[in-house]
Amino acid sequence: DAGVTQSPTHLIKTRGQQVTLRCSPKSGHDTVSWYQQALGQGPQFIFQYYEEEERQRGNFPDRFSGHQFPNYSSELNVNALLLGDSALYLCASSFYLNTQYFGPGTRLTVL
Amino acid sequence: DAKTTQPPSMDCAEGRAANLPCNHSTISGNEYVYWYRQIHSQGPQYIIHGLKNNETNEMASLIITEDRKSSTLILPHATLRDTAVYYCIVTSPSGTYKYIFGTGTRLKVLA
Repeated sequence: DAGVTQSPTHLIKTRGQQVTLRCSPKSGHDTVSWYQQALGQGPQFIFQYYEEEERQRGNFPDRFSGHQFPNYSSELNVNALLLGDSALYLCASSFYLNTQYFGPGTRLTVL
Repeated sequence: DAKTTQPPSMDCAEGRAANLPCNHSTISGNEYVYWYRQIHSQGPQYIIHGLKNNETNEMASLIITEDRKSSTLILPHATLRDTAVYYCIVTSPSGTYKYIFGTGTRLKVLA
């Protein structure tokens, strides 16, 4: 049984560019949550998707947007990248409001 | 969602029990206590969770005080591979069930 997968593993972008990160949930899961983890900090909640809709959003600007597809996979898009967007981006999946299981993350570096 | 307080760091001798405390004095009646750990910037790994009763699985035991204002995660026989940052999270199945991470406890298991 495959766990949560994320792609790419690492990514380097320059300021002002746009980036798309991808997440495939664990088999049987229908809910995807995204988190941003800056170096030395705990993960911070960005938003959560269920039934292809954003259910709740954390304290992140509109530059951060997402999408969930009918197969429950999800994308996180970040526009107009800033240096401060450099972080580990984590995806977590769950079956509705149950235990979340995290993927390995995507390390984004903005130069 | 209730906030949690954990010591920033702890050491434990290999083979001994590691007891990691967490305070969650503002926990409400329907909020669960979850524990995750993160090894060197990998995705957080689920360990255990509970509501009122003590819980045990193959990884750890969770002891929740009767007033539910604090809990302790117990790793019965710590190994070097248990060196990680351990996060205690309190969350409710109502709403979106988002996780609010603190800075966790950095556990170092010593040989």
